[in-house]
Amino acid sequence: GNSVTQMEGPVTLSEEAFLTINCTYTATGYPSLFWYVQYPGEGLQLLLKATKADDKGSNKGFEATYRKETTSFHLEKGSVQVSDSAVYFCALRGGSQGNLIFGKGTKLSVKP
Amino acid sequence: DTGVSQNPRHKITKRGQNVTFRCDPISEHNRLYWYRQTLGQGPEFLTYFQNEAQLEKSRLLSDRFSAERPKGSFSTLEIQRTEQGDSAMYLCASSLNRGGQETQYFGPGTRLLVL
Repeated sequence: GNSVTQMEGPVTLSEEAFLTINCTYTATGYPSLFWYVQYPGEGLQLLLKATKADDKGSNKGFEATYRKETTSFHLEKGSVQVSDSAVYFCALRGGSQGNLIFGKGTKLSVKP
Repeated sequence: DTGVSQNPRHKITKRGQNVTFRCDPISEHNRLYWYRQTLGQGPEFLTYFQNEAQLEKSRLLSDRFSAERPKGSFSTLEIQRTEQGDSAMYLCASSLNRGGQETQYFGPGTRLLVL
C-alpha cells in the first residue's frame, strides 16, 4: 500500500542554517505530494505541494522537488529562522479516495 | 474565506461517555475529511464525505465511531462509550475536488482527553 517515510527528528539548527528534511514515498501510480507544517497548539497548514514528476513546490523560502526516480520529496530551506520551529509532515495523495497519507512528522527547533 | 473551524477545541470526558465534535468546512468545498492524530504521529485518515454522501467509512476505528454530514455543509463526528485509547487530536479538513485534483485545508482540531 501507499506509505510515506520521513527522517526522524528532532532536528535542531541554529538560525540561518540550511535545512533538509528527507521524505520518501511508496505509491502506485502518480500521487500528489505535500508538505504540511504544524505550529505548537495549531492545526496543519499547507506549506507546499507538487502534483507531477519534476514539479517544484515552493513557499516562504521552502522548496521541495518531486523526484519520481528516487521516490522522494525532500524539504529544503536555505536559511532557517526561529519562527520556522514547528513539526513538518510529508504527505501523499493517491487513488480515487483522495485521503492524505502522512509521515510521522519531523520536529524542527531553530535556536537564535 | 474564514477557513475550516472545529468545535469544541478541547474536550475532557469520562470513560464511557459519548462525545460529538463539529466541523464547519470552507463554504464552497465539496469534500470533508476526518483524521485522528495521536502524540508523535502523523494524522490518520478516518472517513470522508463528498457533499452529503459518506464515501468511505471502513477506516473508522470501531463501530463506536460514526460521522454525518446531513446537508453537505457541516459535519459531526461522534464517539460512543469513549475509552482512554480514544484520547487524541481529531482533525477535520475540507477541499474542492475538481477532476481529481484537490488541496485539503485543515481546521485547528479538537483535542479529546478521556479520563
